[in-house]
Amino acid sequence: AQSVAQPEDQVNVAEGNPLTVKCTYSVSGNPYLFWYVQYPNRGLQFLLKYITGDNLVKGSYGFEAEFNKSQTSFHLKKPSALVSDSALYFCAVRDMNTGFQKLVFGTGTRLLVSP
Amino acid sequence: EPEVTQTPSHQVTQMGQEVILRCVPISNHLYFYWYRQILGQKVEFLVSFYNNEISEKSEIFDDQFSVERPDGSNFTLKIRSTKLEDSAMYFCASSETTGGSQWPQHFGDGTRLSIL
Repeated sequence: AQSVAQPEDQVNVAEGNPLTVKCTYSVSGNPYLFWYVQYPNRGLQFLLKYITGDNLVKGSYGFEAEFNKSQTSFHLKKPSALVSDSALYFCAVRDMNTGFQKLVFGTGTRLLVSP
Repeated sequence: EPEVTQTPSHQVTQMGQEVILRCVPISNHLYFYWYRQILGQKVEFLVSFYNNEISEKSEIFDDQFSVERPDGSNFTLKIRSTKLEDSAMYFCASSETTGGSQWPQHFGDGTRLSIL
């Protein structure tokens, strides 16, 4: 069965500093990996995905994520955080070897960027 | 940019009543989904729908739940007899399908369902 772990409930970072939000996954086959962001009273907004190819993927709003197969990780990064990046971030996985489409989400990490 | 829209944004219902949550997926998308998020918990998959039939469902999606695409634009989730534990935020999502399951799912803003 697929699973995702986001070990940090909250990440605090000062504006202008780099940020990392951690994610590890478990699938029986090869993973499709996604990051979503949720602002208050809004739905999940797609940020980026890893399907295949380069381990470093770039997404919206200057975010990027690094896929590491040996560590089964897909950490979200940004070189310089903005106060407006403060939100709830979800990592999600689906097993590309199954015929199913469902996403399995982590518990989410709240990012707080202070001015 | 096209969006998934959900109505209503908040639904309050008495326990035991039927409720229908409505969604309009992105127009050229062919895969549709419902997820739910109980307050303070993670987002959980309920069901996926493709080609007018359920393609996958979770153990949460029991006989009290049903989905339908009544016309060319709407996608609905019905809960026949609501329970207190059905209180949650329900998200609809849709994705393209052009032979690849790597297309991201795009989510609506959700319907907050409160069961009294």
